[in-house]
Amino acid sequence: NAGVTQTPKFQVLKTGQSMTLQCAQDMNHEYMSWYRQDPGMGLRLIHYSVGAGITDQGEVPNGYNVSRSTTEDFPLRLLSAAPSQTSVYFCASSYMGTQYFGPGTRLTVL
Amino acid sequence: QQQVKQSPQSLIVQKGGISIINCAYENTAFDYFPWYQQFPGKGPALLIAIRPDVSEKKEGRFTISFNKSAKQFSLHIMDSQPGDSATYFCAASTPGNTPLVFGKGTRLSVIA
Repeated sequence: NAGVTQTPKFQVLKTGQSMTLQCAQDMNHEYMSWYRQDPGMGLRLIHYSVGAGITDQGEVPNGYNVSRSTTEDFPLRLLSAAPSQTSVYFCASSYMGTQYFGPGTRLTVL
Repeated sequence: QQQVKQSPQSLIVQKGGISIINCAYENTAFDYFPWYQQFPGKGPALLIAIRPDVSEKKEGRFTISFNKSAKQFSLHIMDSQPGDSATYFCAASTPGNTPLVFGKGTRLSVIA
């Protein structure tokens, strides 16, 4: 089992560019989520999904889109990157309340 | 109502000492209280968790104490070691397939 995988590990974008952060899990978990982690702010929920075809907004959804076409994949799209989106992004899948986090993507927006 | 307040923000403990991190919540519907440990450059990983039907749970050197009436729970790390140096997050969730609400984290440094 690879668990939760995220690509890329690092990314630098210019303001206004778009990109997709990839997340995949091989544990057949229905629940998946995206967090951003900023110094002193903890983990803030961006979007989550309780199953294929179902997504919902978290605490900080603005500027991000998600879709869930399969159980395995949960990509996060930045439509028009802004410097305020510079952060470390974590994807997680969940089973029986336990969240399994991926290794993260460090994103810098210039 | 949804917040989990964590303290302290940072903590320095001597090797062999006891590390204590505290969390408080307001939402009485929370029924699951996990602690996550995060090392630099890694994703958080579940350390230990408790449900409100018990007041304490121990796993090795790690203990969660839970006070339902005070709406507080804490993590105790006994015989703290330099390898315990990490960021610790408390969290809480309500029943069902609902998101975890995280505290802001505590950076623990264990010095020799």
